[in-house]
Amino acid sequence: SQQGEEDPQALSIQEGENATMNCSYKTSINNLQWYRQNSGRGLVHLILIRSNEREKHSGRLRVTLDTSKKSSSLLITASRAADTASYFCATEVKAAGNKLTFGGGTRVLVKP
Amino acid sequence: GAGVSQSPRYKVAKRGQDVALRCDPISGHVSLFWYQQALGQGPEFLTYFQNEAQLDKSGLPSDRFFAERPEGSVSTLKIQRTQQEDSAVYLCASSFLAGQETQYFGPGTRLLVL
Repeated sequence: SQQGEEDPQALSIQEGENATMNCSYKTSINNLQWYRQNSGRGLVHLILIRSNEREKHSGRLRVTLDTSKKSSSLLITASRAADTASYFCATEVKAAGNKLTFGGGTRVLVKP
Repeated sequence: GAGVSQSPRYKVAKRGQDVALRCDPISGHVSLFWYQQALGQGPEFLTYFQNEAQLDKSGLPSDRFFAERPEGSVSTLKIQRTQQEDSAVYLCASSFLAGQETQYFGPGTRLLVL
């Protein structure tokens, strides 16, 4: 079973636009991590946000975490064609050791 | 420095064949994880090592799946008597310590069972 669920499942935008995707989860977490996966490739770590943090930035990426709503969002600003990929949220759950539980991902297409 | 490496990158096996997938974690990383990713899905946890100790194998789908990390570095995931439903990408990840740490993923081994 998957703890996190991403929304939307797919997103198509024009280059230069912003892309926002959301992740909801069910149980208390230690942290939440966002990963990117290009077609047929491995997962690339983007940002880790801990349960006591509310917002983090990395370059064109902004992640928020609302533990009261058990949700997170990933914003990619000024998107580029190279941002085309699948984006996954993954939670490290307090009661489940150090493993990550992934959602089903959001497939993002950035059209040039 | 070098990231997590996995071999082989692709493996085609006949149903019933045994396979062994290798993971070389980042040097010095204590924790090592195996995940299975079906087509179009997110990765799902299989098993976790802290050094050579296998602390969690709750995600292994059957007793045909076996993982080891005998010297606390390289790990091998073995699948015995492969079935078609075992076809997936097998991802290995490592992290420096245990818990609250970024996991760094390898490129994966794509297994196709015919």
